Amino acid sequence: DVKVTQSSRYLVKRTGEKVFLECVQDMDHENMFWYRQDPGLGLRLIYFSYDVKMKEKGDIPEGYSVSREKKERFSLILESASTNQTSMYLCASSLVGYGYTFGSGTRLTVV
Amino acid sequence: GQQLNQSPQSMFIQEGEDVSMNCTSSSIFNTWLWYKQDPGEGPVLLIALYKAGELTSNGRLTAQFGITRKDSFLNISASIPSDVGIYFCAGQNYGGEIQGAQKLVFGQGTRLTINP
Repeated sequence: DVKVTQSSRYLVKRTGEKVFLECVQDMDHENMFWYRQDPGLGLRLIYFSYDVKMKEKGDIPEGYSVSREKKERFSLILESASTNQTSMYLCASSLVGYGYTFGSGTRLTVV
Repeated sequence: GQQLNQSPQSMFIQEGEDVSMNCTSSSIFNTWLWYKQDPGEGPVLLIALYKAGELTSNGRLTAQFGITRKDSFLNISASIPSDVGIYFCAGQNYGGEIQGAQKLVFGQGTRLTINP
């Protein structure tokens, strides 16, 4: 089975800190995605990548950046964390033309 | 961004009851998928549908890809406590272009609660 691993299940960070969320997949998928999930708002796409060093903005990229230096790893960066970035963050990967496999999520709290 | 209309938003049922939820879109999709998210976990794929009119089962779950390609439904028969969670529908169009075509469009989710 494909495995998508997010480095932390829970994180607590201070306002203004630079935060790195890491995601690794083990099945050579081309595509990787970062979503945030908030009650009542569903899943909102932050960024996605369809190849190494390639990235595309999703629906809510403001305040975030990403890095994909290797095919298996896709990092989400919060340049200066704010309390409105407190959320559940979900990473996913997929082969071209197929559905996603999600990680278990990282619940980030910014205080 | 585009989202699908998923209903109902929440359901409170008794154990043993059947469950039905659906998803509609203003545009057509080539693929419909249904995911389930357990509390504190990421969504897990339940069923994938690739052809209009297709009816697919996975145990007590049955899903259909609407003939118009603009809708899909998911039924759960004889619900049990472990069915609790959030169910998401998702649509996808893969037309060969790489950029953007890989993205799934998600519904808002249906939160299922079961009273034993």
